[in-house]
Amino acid sequence: QQQVKQSPQSLIVQKGGISIINCAYENTAFDYFPWYQQFPGKGPALLIAIRPDVSEKKEGRFTISFNKSAKQFSLHIMDSQPGDSATYFCAAGAVQGAQKLVFGQGTRLTINP
Amino acid sequence: GAGVSQSPRYKVAKRGQDVALRCDPISGHVSLFWYQQALGQGPEFLTYFQNEAQLDKSGLPSDRFFAERPEGSVSTLKIQRTQQEDSAVYLCASSYRDEQFFGPGTRLTVL
Repeated sequence: QQQVKQSPQSLIVQKGGISIINCAYENTAFDYFPWYQQFPGKGPALLIAIRPDVSEKKEGRFTISFNKSAKQFSLHIMDSQPGDSATYFCAAGAVQGAQKLVFGQGTRLTINP
Repeated sequence: GAGVSQSPRYKVAKRGQDVALRCDPISGHVSLFWYQQALGQGPEFLTYFQNEAQLDKSGLPSDRFFAERPEGSVSTLKIQRTQQEDSAVYLCASSYRDEQFFGPGTRLTVL
């Protein structure tokens, strides 16, 4: 019940295209859903996060869509650039769990120039 | 401002050796987390501190793993009698509220 499932495992998108990564969760106690970007040899960096009281949040080229009833959320990267090539992780946390995060398995995104 | 720092960045240990990994959180961050990231996987929770109190250690894989944060700032993760399966990147994160900020990690290789 603690698992967060992420897909696809890898994704190749042309420059300027839209990259979409999906996640699903089981535990209804989760109330905080961040996305992290990780480059090789670096720690995860927070990109954007959402709480279940809204269905969408946009920051620049990054948008989270959240479907509470389906227990799914997704990351959209608009106008994808080669510099966006990295591994992306979704995660979920709960206030009652002191926000320890449960991570998805990761998506390796490659943006072709 | 300074982010989360971890040292050493790389550590090679022989099987059976003890290791100590250090985390310097962002100044003023009350909460501190340790995660383990195996190659090609997402980080997995190990333990959580609020100030100096270790409130959750449910993710520590065995009693060979021990963490402390005696003054509510710097934290040390210690692994005794290292095994090959301990090889991973150990990530530290600190937070003030919801947002967790990660350090660069320590890559531990056990030979």
